[in-house]
Amino acid sequence: DQQVKQNSPSLSVQEGRISILNCDYTNSMFDYFLWYKKYPAEGPTFLISISSIKDKNEDGRFTVFLNKSAKHLSLHIVPSQPGDSAVYFCAASDWNDYKLSFGAGTTVTVRA
Amino acid sequence: DVKVTQSSRYLVKRTGEKVFLECVQDMDHENMFWYRQDPGLGLRLIYFSYDVKMKEKGDIPEGYSVSREKKERFSLILESASTNQTSMYLCASRKGTGPYEQYFGPGTRLTVT
Repeated sequence: DQQVKQNSPSLSVQEGRISILNCDYTNSMFDYFLWYKKYPAEGPTFLISISSIKDKNEDGRFTVFLNKSAKHLSLHIVPSQPGDSAVYFCAASDWNDYKLSFGAGTTVTVRA
Repeated sequence: DVKVTQSSRYLVKRTGEKVFLECVQDMDHENMFWYRQDPGLGLRLIYFSYDVKMKEKGDIPEGYSVSREKKERFSLILESASTNQTSMYLCASRKGTGPYEQYFGPGTRLTVT
């Protein structure tokens, strides 16, 4: 049973606009959350993370929001650029665990 | 920069063959992982290792085994490849326990015919 869910398999957005990717989790023990970006034929690369003691973390054009009561997080990309076209994976873990649980991914396409 | 390398980018094997996938990391990380990525299923953990000669099963270990004889190297073995093991295989490494991200290799696209 998947503990991390990304319910939107794909997202298409105009260049310059905001991309919003959503992620839900079911395991209340998760307290560390990450987003990875993956281009075809490459390994995932780490994008941004957030711990459960925060509700927002920002890094340049990327912001992650965490709503613990709803067990929901989102990634905002502003403004979206053509190079942002990729698959984005949400991942979560217990602070002391080795393992990450991944969502199925959302494919983002940024239109010129 | 952390570097994780995998022995092959593309591999084609026949059903029943024994397959070795090698992964090497250069950052002295304690933890190493093997995942497979399939469309609509995300990344699923096959095995991980938290130290030399130590290993633990992930979510889908059936049909796979692993070996970690040196800290920098983690091997995934398919004892008898089957067509349902056609997939993208990704290796990752991470330091210690705690809030650290995993660093991934470029992946091996394995096709079993």
